Order: sequence, then structure tokens, then C-alpha cells
Amino acid sequence: KAGVTQTPRYLIKTRGQQVTLSCSPISGHRSVSWYQQTPGQGLQFLFEYFSETQRNKGNFPGRFSGRQFSNSRSEMNVSTLELGDSALYLCASSVTSPSTDTQYFGPGTRLTVL
Amino acid sequence: DQQVKQNSPSLSVQEGRISILNCDYTNSMFDYFLWYKKYPAEGPTFLISISSIKDKNEDGRFTVFLNKSAKHLSLHIVPSQPGDSAVYFCAATAGGGNKLTFGTGTQLKVEL
Repeated sequence: KAGVTQTPRYLIKTRGQQVTLSCSPISGHRSVSWYQQTPGQGLQFLFEYFSETQRNKGNFPGRFSGRQFSNSRSEMNVSTLELGDSALYLCASSVTSPSTDTQYFGPGTRLTVL
Repeated sequence: DQQVKQNSPSLSVQEGRISILNCDYTNSMFDYFLWYKKYPAEGPTFLISISSIKDKNEDGRFTVFLNKSAKHLSLHIVPSQPGDSAVYFCAATAGGGNKLTFGTGTQLKVEL
């Protein structure tokens, strides 16, 4: 069974631009979560989707948004990029919920904002 | 507000000895706790978990202990192996919350 895949793996953008990251969950998994990892901050929860609906959202500004498609694939978008948005963005999937099922992570997308 | 805390950013242990990684939490609603391991350039991988109705869960070389009164959990690795060198994250969730809250991680280095 294929694992969680994320594209692209690396991305370089400049301040003010926007970026879209993609995540394909494990087949049969309907819950997709996004996290931001920065040094010293651990994994910060961004949002979680299930059946195309956002069920939970972390404490991030409105510049961070996401969506999920009917095939459970998910995208996250960051608009008006800031230097502090440089981070590893991780996507994770689980069957129905990260609170009840094991969550499997993708390798992440490394975003660098110059 | 960091609801899950890992106060030791790094830990160094000799091969064959015990590694003990600690985690504290503040939210009394958390009822399920997990440990993940992360190698560079890879996503975190699930290691072991424990429900709040238990105080210990064991899986091979890995044992997680939960002390609810102290809001503290620990991961014991015995014996430690060089391949265990990685960043370890503890995480917690409250029933129905649909999210995991992670700590900041502890870098474990197992030396020969």
C-alpha cells in the first residue's frame, strides 16, 4: 500500500507570493491533517479535513487555508508569504480521525521564503 | 500556550543502556497519548501509544508510562541501539478533538 505522498518536496518562494502544497493520503484514509514544523516549535497543527469538511483548525492566520477533494486528496495554500513561513509542512492521514486511528505522515514539503 | 511539553531538547545515551524520554501535559482533557519518531528528511512515524485508562504499555524494546496525577508520560527504550537516534515527539489528543497536539521533540543520540 502506498504511503502518504506530498508534492513538491522542496519549494523556494519570495515574500508576498503565494504557494499551494499537495497531499495524497493513504488509500482508504479519509482524514487529512496538516502541520507546520519549525525548529524549537515542534509540530504545530494547522487544520484537519474529513469528507471535504474542515473539522478543526489551529491558531494560524487566515493566510493559511486548505481544502479536501472528494478523493480525499488535500491541498493547503499560504498567501502573502512571510519569512516566518519558512518551515517543513507535513501532511498526515488516518482512516477516520487522528484521535482514534493511527496517523501516518508524509515526508513533508520544505518551504523556504526569501 | 504549549499544552504538551518536552523539556529536554536533546539526550545522549550509550548503546545498550536505557533511554528515558519525558513529556508533560497541561490539558486534563487529553485521554490518548502517542510517541512518534522522526528521522531527518522523513515524516514522523508512529511508535507507541497509551490510553488514559492504562498506566503502562509495552511493545518490544519500547515502553510508555503514564502518570495521570502528575500529567506526565515517559518513553523507555531498552536496550538503546544506534538506529534509535532520531527526534522523538510525544503527542496527545482529547476524544473527538480530531487533532493531535505535539510537543517540541527530543533529539536522542545513541552512541557506540
